[in-house]
Amino acid sequence: SQQGEEDPQALSIQEGENATMNCSYKTSINNLQWYRQNSGRGLVHLILIRSNEREKHSGRLRVTLDTSKKSSSLLITASRAADTASYFCATRDSGGSNYKLTFGKGTLLTVNP
Amino acid sequence: EAQVTQNPRYLITVTGKKLTVTCSQNMNHEYMSWYRQDPGLGLRQIYYSMNVEVTDKGDVPEGYKVSRKEKRNFPLILESPSPNQTSLYFCASRGTGANEQFFGPGTRLTVL
Repeated sequence: SQQGEEDPQALSIQEGENATMNCSYKTSINNLQWYRQNSGRGLVHLILIRSNEREKHSGRLRVTLDTSKKSSSLLITASRAADTASYFCATRDSGGSNYKLTFGKGTLLTVNP
Repeated sequence: EAQVTQNPRYLITVTGKKLTVTCSQNMNHEYMSWYRQDPGLGLRQIYYSMNVEVTDKGDVPEGYKVSRKEKRNFPLILESPSPNQTSLYFCASRGTGANEQFFGPGTRLTVL
């Protein structure tokens, strides 16, 4: 079953605007990660936030985690056309297999020039 | 360059014809995994391996086999492919104690 569920499924914005994507999950987690996928290509790791962290920054990326609501958000500031991609959250369960990441279905972000 | 490679990148085959998709990583990672990606379903784990000769089923293992005879290689075997295995397949690897997974470029498989 899918652990992470991203929202919205698709998002279209203009270059320079901020993009916010949300992820909800169901079980207790060890950490939550965000990955990016350009069309038909492999996924690339963007950022990780641990269960005891609430916010993390990396360049134009800001991730928040609310374990009480079992949700996370990814904010991309000052978006660029090159940010156009699908974005996936992935959770590593705290109680399950130590090796498994469970991915959501992704948000397709389109940044229009 | 650190990378995960997959071959072939594209494959069209017919029902029942055995095939193998190779996966190799040059980062000395212990953990390797196979996923399939289908529209509306996201990525689903097929099999994973924690080290040489140690493999386990993921969420959708039916119709697939794997082996891990060497640390760098983790081939995915379809003994008798069926049309419902038409998908985009990704191999990934991760080092022990690390969280980030490195993904291969993907193999687009079509089973007629």
